[in-house]
Amino acid sequence: DVKVTQSSRYLVKRTGEKVFLECVQDMDHENMFWYRQDPGLGLRLIYFSYDVKMKEKGDIPEGYSVSREKKERFSLILESASTNQTSMYLCASSPGQGKAANTGELFFGEGSRLTVL
Amino acid sequence: AQKITQTQPGMFVQEKEAVTLDCTYDTSDPSYGLFWYKQPSSGEMIFLIYQGSYDQQNATEGRYSLNFQKARKSANLVISASQLGDSAMYFCAMREGESQAGTALIFGKGTTLSVSS
Repeated sequence: DVKVTQSSRYLVKRTGEKVFLECVQDMDHENMFWYRQDPGLGLRLIYFSYDVKMKEKGDIPEGYSVSREKKERFSLILESASTNQTSMYLCASSPGQGKAANTGELFFGEGSRLTVL
Repeated sequence: AQKITQTQPGMFVQEKEAVTLDCTYDTSDPSYGLFWYKQPSSGEMIFLIYQGSYDQQNATEGRYSLNFQKARKSANLVISASQLGDSAMYFCAMREGESQAGTALIFGKGTTLSVSS
């Protein structure tokens, strides 16, 4: 069964801490994405990657960076966490070939709920 | 302007009844795709249904159908014979343009559906 796994379901961090959110997919997908989800705002794109070591800014990249050293892994980094980064973070992936590639369907992980105190 | 608009923050329906969740979209690209995802309280995003802009017929998947009205730029989700397990947040999303490397989806703000017995 296809799977996107996010390393932590729940995290609590302090303001100013460096935070790593890890995402691994076992579907050999080329594309990976990080979204944040906030009540009343829906999902907003932070960063995405279409290949190893490639990254592109989404709509709200400020305060975040990403790393993709291997095809299956896409990490979201908060260099200095702030309270306004308290949110649900969703990782997704999509293939470069096949039916899902033609439609653009995203496959999501279960989400990481981050609280910054 | 919002690309995806879901005007119903919350909807309530009784078991076995049908319910329509509204979605309007805004794009000038002739090629696009429309998606509906379900997010239960556990957090994972579940793909429900897809409609391509060039598809002549409305998409259907089991109890889900997408009422695609291209001229009105609407893509409403119809759930027939609601079940208690349908209680969740529902997101409408759009792929703008052809699907290619790194194509992300644009999401609406979501509609919370509550099904009662």
